[in-house]
Amino acid sequence: NAGVMQNPRHLVRRRGQEARLRCSPMKGHSHVYWYRQLPEEGLKFMVYLQKENIIDESGMPKERFSAEFPKEGPSILRIQQVVRGDSAAYFCATSTSTVNTEAFFGQGTRLTVV
Amino acid sequence: QQQVKQSPQSLIVQKGGISIINCAYENTAFDYFPWYQQFPGKGPALLIAIRPDVSEKKEGRFTISFNKSAKQFSLHIMDSQPGDSATYFCAARRTGNQFYFGTGTSLTVIP
Repeated sequence: NAGVMQNPRHLVRRRGQEARLRCSPMKGHSHVYWYRQLPEEGLKFMVYLQKENIIDESGMPKERFSAEFPKEGPSILRIQQVVRGDSAAYFCATSTSTVNTEAFFGQGTRLTVV
Repeated sequence: QQQVKQSPQSLIVQKGGISIINCAYENTAFDYFPWYQQFPGKGPALLIAIRPDVSEKKEGRFTISFNKSAKQFSLHIMDSQPGDSATYFCAARRTGNQFYFGTGTSLTVIP
């Protein structure tokens, strides 16, 4: 899973600021999934994207959160006006296609809101 | 609701023993069942996976047992080692859709 690159690894933001989390898929992967993990908890699905399309955003809060996966460049998870409750580890996973269903995770971005 | 239910939440096993983690699901459309291993500060790493057309898959000390009629699957770690101490997540997926994860099992293997 070292091939999925997430940056930054650690991000500190003050309440009210914006957080931008980046996920560069493994070569050839066109599907991206974003998950949030709170301490001592499991992985909560947020959003599933393919190139230039949001396939499923049912796990993403309606307010302040958005995600994109442009034709060129990494997938971006954007959190506006962050609050303390947004502090968590955010992981992305990527896969090649819906047929080859293995998904590989990045190392995560640990967001701390102070 | 929780699509995939995982138990136990934590598990302590003696070195050399067998670790067993169980998962259950409801959606019969799921067609892929992976297990992930996560060490502190790291991302989950794919450990082993199974599709519902087989009842068991073994890779080294790790075995998935799959019971389609009961909608249950489990991970068995034989000859458990301290290096296996980690959090394990089961997951399920329907092709073309998101992965649903269990809540995780924290495994501690004591020497």
